[in-house]
Amino acid sequence: QQQVKQSPQSLIVQKGGISIINCAYENTAFDYFPWYQQFPGKGPALLIAIRPDVSEKKEGRFTISFNKSAKQFSLHIMDSQPGDSATYFCAASIGDSSYKLIFGSGTRLLVRP
Amino acid sequence: DGGITQSPKYLFRKEGQNVTLSCEQNLNHDAMYWYRQDPGQGLRLIYYSQIVNDFQKGDIAEGYSVSREKKESFPLTVTSAQKNPTAFYLCASSIVQQETQYFGPGTRLLVL
Repeated sequence: QQQVKQSPQSLIVQKGGISIINCAYENTAFDYFPWYQQFPGKGPALLIAIRPDVSEKKEGRFTISFNKSAKQFSLHIMDSQPGDSATYFCAASIGDSSYKLIFGSGTRLLVRP
Repeated sequence: DGGITQSPKYLFRKEGQNVTLSCEQNLNHDAMYWYRQDPGQGLRLIYYSQIVNDFQKGDIAEGYSVSREKKESFPLTVTSAQKNPTAFYLCASSIVQQETQYFGPGTRLLVL
C-alpha cells in the first residue's frame, strides 16, 4: 500500500511534442505528490508538486494532473525540448512528522531533435 | 553557495570492507536523508534524521549505519554486512515540517 507505480519505464518524444508520464498509488493518506527531474550522474531536483485539494497545477511547460478518485496523477511536458531529456520520478508522502517520500521507479525521457 | 555536498564522487569497496560516504549541507536544514538508487528502480530510503543525535531506519537499513553528531553532517557507512552495495547513493535534506527535499550530487559505490 506504500507503493507508487510509475509508467512508462522509458519514453521517446519528438521535439515539440507532449510527454506524458503516469503514476498511481494506493494509500489514500498520501497528501503531497512531487515530481523530480534527474540528469545523468546528478541528484534529483524538485520540478513541480501538487496537493490533493487541486486537480491541476501548471508551471511553465510542466503540468501535473491529479485524479483523486482514481488515485492517479500525471506529468505533462508541453513543447518537449531535447534539454528535457532526463529521468523523471513521481513521489508521494504523508504529512506526518517524518515526511518520508515514496518514489516511483522512474521514467527515462528522450526528446529527439 | 548553499547546498549539499557528497564525497567522494566514486568509491570502491573491497570484500569485507566498511566504507563511509560523506554528506554535508549548509542549508541549515534539520532533516537529512540517505537514499539508494539502483538502475530501473526508484529511490529507496535507507536512513533519515530529523534532529541531531537522532535517526530512524528507512525501508532498507540492513547493512548500513549512520550518525548525526552535527546538524550539517550525516555520514553513511556501508558495512560488510551489505552484500550488494553497488549502487548510486543520494543524500538529501529538508526543513522539518516541509516536504521539499534537496538532493546532493550522489556517490557511486562500486565493489572490487
